[in-house]
Amino acid sequence: TQLLEQSPQFLSIQEGENLTVYCNSSSVFSSLQWYRQEPGEGPVLLVTVVTGGEVKKLKRLTFQFGDARKDSSLHITAAQPGDTGLYLCAGLPTGANNLFFGTGTRLTVIP
Amino acid sequence: KAGVTQTPRYLIKTRGQQVTLSCSPISGHRSVSWYQQTPGQGLQFLFEYFSETQRNKGNFPGRFSGRQFSNSRSEMNVSTLELGDSALYLCASRLRTSGTGEQYFGPGTRLTVT
Repeated sequence: TQLLEQSPQFLSIQEGENLTVYCNSSSVFSSLQWYRQEPGEGPVLLVTVVTGGEVKKLKRLTFQFGDARKDSSLHITAAQPGDTGLYLCAGLPTGANNLFFGTGTRLTVIP
Repeated sequence: KAGVTQTPRYLIKTRGQQVTLSCSPISGHRSVSWYQQTPGQGLQFLFEYFSETQRNKGNFPGRFSGRQFSNSRSEMNVSTLELGDSALYLCASRLRTSGTGEQYFGPGTRLTVT
């Protein structure tokens, strides 16, 4: 059983469409991060959220941390082929010292 | 500032052999973590080293071990390789073990066990 479940697992959309990826858990996290990983590379940190209800924007990407700090979402507006990749959420459970990664969402944006 | 580097990038080994992977963290980062990534299990935490001491350990058998040197470089060793050890092994560094946990990853070592 994974501590963090992501949905959907796979997503294939046309360029210009909007999408939302979800990251859910029954555990409480002191912080949560989103990473993007491209083939043959390691994950790259996109954002960290630490406060319940927090919303962060990074150009066309909007990240939200749930009020109870158990879940998060990533919304992409007007997706572009360059957004293609594996999106991973990762949480630091309260009192823990290491990250737990989500199951991943593989996004393909078709030109 | 140079990123995290890992060597080698690709490795093919035979069942029963052992392997050593190397990681150089970002300059100034003293914490190094190792992860295993497979299609079935995703990204799983192996262990973390800080100031040459193992600080955290994931749920992996004792065949997986690591160490950290005084310059913060780290090595990971897997003994008696099994087919299921085929994976992408990722190293990540951060300044310290506390804080919000952000990791800066290297490109990984792709290990294939035949």
